[in-house]
Amino acid sequence: RKEVEQDPGPFNVPEGATVAFNCTYSNSASQSFFWYRQDCRKEPKLLMSVYSSGNEDGRFTAQLNRASQYISLLIRDSKLSDSATYLCVAPGREGGSQGNLIFGKGTKLSVKP
Amino acid sequence: ETGVTQSPTHLIKTRGQQVTLRCSSQSGHNTVSWYQQALGQGPQFIFQYYREEENGRGNFPPRFSGLQFPNYSSELNVNALELDDSALYLCASSLQGNNQPQHFGDGTRLSIL
Repeated sequence: RKEVEQDPGPFNVPEGATVAFNCTYSNSASQSFFWYRQDCRKEPKLLMSVYSSGNEDGRFTAQLNRASQYISLLIRDSKLSDSATYLCVAPGREGGSQGNLIFGKGTKLSVKP
Repeated sequence: ETGVTQSPTHLIKTRGQQVTLRCSSQSGHNTVSWYQQALGQGPQFIFQYYREEENGRGNFPPRFSGLQFPNYSSELNVNALELDDSALYLCASSLQGNNQPQHFGDGTRLSIL
């Protein structure tokens, strides 16, 4: 299993739709996770941190299932401005890669009028 | 609060040359991580610096090296450039620790001809 694996996408949804992205991770010792948003040719920007079972911030909800090593991101009432690539991130393994973040390849979301 | 700044924004080099990329960390952050992002991929961890020492390294050859200075700013040096080194190079700063989210600069887009 890859360290962090995401839905391949792309997701094309109408405005107002609810969309969910899934992500699996391989390091069972990971304690914290992140979702980043990356616009085309821009840097990743932190969207949410997930330290326990989940986190909610407005229209965005992240859920963590440690038993299944699975993280999800739910976006409700999609806006045109939500169009971006969403990156699932988990901490790297201890030892040689201490302190680094492992990024998934990202899932592209396009919200259409 | 000053965010992460990187320079230069764009750079064109030829094979075999050497390059130095620079990063100033966000105020209050003591840790700097460098990532390489190829087109269509998630960022790949190169290495991290904390207390002016390398604090973890990804799967990159020794011709990728770095420095961190007492003011927490950092440099990434790449020797003997290869065509495959063409990518967006991202610097991220944070506090030390696997649970700490990282905040990215705008990146340096490096093209190798």
